[in-house]
Amino acid sequence: QQPVQSPQAVILREGEDAVINCSSSKALYSVHWYRQKHGEAPVFLMILLKGGEQKGHEKISASFNEKKQQSSLYLTASQLSYSGTYFCGTESGSARQLTFGSGTQLTVLP
Amino acid sequence: DTEVTQTPKHLVMGMTNKKSLKCEQHMGHRAMYWYKQKAKKPPELMFVYSYEKLSINESVPSRFSPECPNSSLLNLHLHALQPEDSALYLCASSQDVAGGVYNEQFFGPGTRLTVL
Repeated sequence: QQPVQSPQAVILREGEDAVINCSSSKALYSVHWYRQKHGEAPVFLMILLKGGEQKGHEKISASFNEKKQQSSLYLTASQLSYSGTYFCGTESGSARQLTFGSGTQLTVLP
Repeated sequence: DTEVTQTPKHLVMGMTNKKSLKCEQHMGHRAMYWYKQKAKKPPELMFVYSYEKLSINESVPSRFSPECPNSSLLNLHLHALQPEDSALYLCASSQDVAGGVYNEQFFGPGTRLTVL
């Protein structure tokens, strides 16, 4: 079942902050975050594991609430390069595969 | 080398044609994936290969036939496609399919397929 992302779209000015949310109705093993720019491949940002372990970029932070099956991606002091579509991918149960959310289109304006 | 390459970048084919998409990685990854992505939609998993064996087939029609000749290569053979199959086909690889911190997926740039 596809995780639910919110908001669907957000427009920011450079330097502003944004939060993107991802929630699932299933118990999650891990949550992955990817960014895809128009016409390009998705690029890995972050993995959050059940139990609190994380792997990702230094300038991007995220949280994972295991009880609520929710994750949030925090983009602080946004830069023009942050523009793109952000997808969360969830991994649940024994199915070691990612199911991607519908995406959040982030636009950062000068 | 942290790159996944895909060829061709673009492909236009008729409904009676047979064509193949190719994907290659040299990162020593043992899991490889095919995703289909429609415009403004998320990638949808089609197939997963783990150690060169097909481990997941997400109920994909038989007109799509995957092949993993060796640990670095992944093919997707196409035959008798429909116009609704037009999409961006993404290949990805990861260290293995086991969950955990090493399951980061590296995506190739994709093949944009148009079926006429």
